[in-house]
Amino acid sequence: DVKVTQSSRYLVKRTGEKVFLECVQDMDHENMFWYRQDPGLGLRLIYFSYDVKMKEKGDIPEGYSVSREKKERFSLILESASTNQTSMYLCASSLGGPSNEKLFFGSGTQLSVL
Amino acid sequence: KNEVEQSPQNLTAQEGEFITINCSYSVGISALHWLQQHPGGGIVSLFMLSSGKKKHGRLIATINIQEKHSSLHITASHPRDSAVYICVQVLGNEKLTFGTGTRLTIIP
Repeated sequence: DVKVTQSSRYLVKRTGEKVFLECVQDMDHENMFWYRQDPGLGLRLIYFSYDVKMKEKGDIPEGYSVSREKKERFSLILESASTNQTSMYLCASSLGGPSNEKLFFGSGTQLSVL
Repeated sequence: KNEVEQSPQNLTAQEGEFITINCSYSVGISALHWLQQHPGGGIVSLFMLSSGKKKHGRLIATINIQEKHSSLHITASHPRDSAVYICVQVLGNEKLTFGTGTRLTIIP
């Protein structure tokens, strides 16, 4: 089975800190995604990557950046954390596009920014 | 307004009942996913379908492309089925839109 691992389950940070969320997948998937999930809203796409060193903005990229130096690892960076970035962050990967392939999700990181 | 509407938002049922969760979408899609999210956050992909019907164990997913509607059915429901079920539409450009989920609680 594909495993998507997120480095932290819970994280508490202070406003203004730089925050790194790490995601690693073990099945050589091309595509990786970062979402945030907030109560009453569906998952929203922050950034995605279809290849190493490649990144594309999703629907809500403001305040975030990403890094994909190796195929298996996709990092989400909060340059200067703010309280409105308190959320559940979910990483996902897929072998191909979502019209043809299932998505595999990590267990999520609940980030609280104080 | 979310382009993907799920109903009901919350559903409580007794163990053994037949469960139906509905998903309606507003535009033509290339595929639709059903996801299951357990308390604690982890998400599991249940089905990906673009037409017809798929079955896996006690779970059945159907889609009607003309009516822009999909249903997820659970037969002989069990407390371990308690979770949030999320419908996801996939457009031709691979863009995903997530429903806000249906919270299912199965009472023993």
